[in-house]
Amino acid sequence: DVHLSESGGGLVQPGGSLRLSCAASGFAFSTNVMNWVRQAPGKGLDWVSSISATGRTTFNAGSVKGRFTISRDNSRNTLYLEMNSLRAEDTAIYFCARAPSERLVGARVYFDSWGQGTLVTVSS
Amino acid sequence: DIQMTQSPSTLSASVGDRVTITCRASRSITNCLAWYQQKPGKVPKLLIYEASSLESGVPSRFSGSGSGTEFTLTISSLQADDFATYYCQQCSSPAWTFGQGTKVEIQ
Repeated sequence: DVHLSESGGGLVQPGGSLRLSCAASGFAFSTNVMNWVRQAPGKGLDWVSSISATGRTTFNAGSVKGRFTISRDNSRNTLYLEMNSLRAEDTAIYFCARAPSERLVGARVYFDSWGQGTLVTVSS
Repeated sequence: DIQMTQSPSTLSASVGDRVTITCRASRSITNCLAWYQQKPGKVPKLLIYEASSLESGVPSRFSGSGSGTEFTLTISSLQADDFATYYCQQCSSPAWTFGQGTKVEIQ
């Protein structure tokens, strides 16, 4: 079975930084696009960032561009999200999600497996 | 970015009802649309991909249709387990945007 487990969330002050991790198991991690999707308290789903299977291609939502960086270590089956210059509006549960494709460009990216999420709270 | 708009935002229904949720894209996404179900405090679950393909393990009372800019999710006979919030998501081009959600409530 596919298993995705996020960690690294917590309380951080505005302007601060956090690094989220997502440990993957139960599938060939190096062959799938991986993604971060977030959900603010009581709100809907909001795509944040995606990375191709090789890690060579990434896309970020406009709201996080220049502040968040997605990366992966295929030798450790782990996905990361480096978050800098955090704002109150970044407060959310951050989900790691798998897409059933290897590439991003020209591919159909939807999310067939999700982790349980990790809560990030940005507040002073 | 492609904008996704769902209607209605909230839907009240009874067990056994046929339920339809609509999702509109701001420009054509051919058939690149997915539907998810999320229950309170739970992780989203993929129901439908490529507009009409049923994800493995999803009950056949769920179906999807549409292409271009207009799509529907239909639950043929609502069950107690189906009361949840449903989201559409375009998979055509980045940013891979979601609709705002449709909450299906017990009437």
